[in-house]
Amino acid sequence: GAGVSQSPSNKVTEKGKDVELRCDPISGHTALYWYRQSLGQGLEFLIYFQGNSAPDKSGLPSDRFSAERTGGSVSTLTIQRTQQEDSAVYLCASSLDRGAEAFFGQGTRLTVV
Amino acid sequence: KQEVTQIPAALSVPEGENLVLNCSFTDSAIYNLQWFRQDPGKGLTSLLLIQSSQREQTSGRLNASLDKSSGRSTLYIAASQPGDSATYLCAVRYQAGTALIFGKGTTLSVSS
Repeated sequence: GAGVSQSPSNKVTEKGKDVELRCDPISGHTALYWYRQSLGQGLEFLIYFQGNSAPDKSGLPSDRFSAERTGGSVSTLTIQRTQQEDSAVYLCASSLDRGAEAFFGQGTRLTVV
Repeated sequence: KQEVTQIPAALSVPEGENLVLNCSFTDSAIYNLQWFRQDPGKGLTSLLLIQSSQREQTSGRLNASLDKSSGRSTLYIAASQPGDSATYLCAVRYQAGTALIFGKGTTLSVSS
């Protein structure tokens, strides 16, 4: 596609449920990033995938968070047993390679009630 | 700890003014720096990418400069317009193959 695509754009879930957020990067981009933006806060790094290398998971806030990237393309961020503090906008970005310009999707707004 | 700071947090100017947004980073050994724009409720739009070997980059009315020795970058917006109203974010990549570290942004309001 022309840009980074994220789905769903909005998600409301009950506390304790699991959610999956999807990211389709720009075709051919080898690097993919997930960030979280809470109300009034800056962008918090979550996880980074680069080609076939092991992902950098250093930003994941707890073991309830996990992500995978299948076939070097689509990525899914999974949050298990959601908590109210997980409510935020989850942003995905991709870049052509490991140091190139990053392009962001429109984000998924997650609300945990 | 590698941090990125943006000052001011908010800025209001009348239409037509030239303005400067500031970004500072704690470690001068950066790989590159990227400026973004974020409109309310939207994702980030890339404005300019400056490599560590470059001093500045220009796109239309935007000019970004980089001074690694002082740990600073500035985004200059010429002849501001109401449509420039948004939050501007600075992000630093310290090494190739690592994630961008973001400042908290400067929210710009341009009045007509």
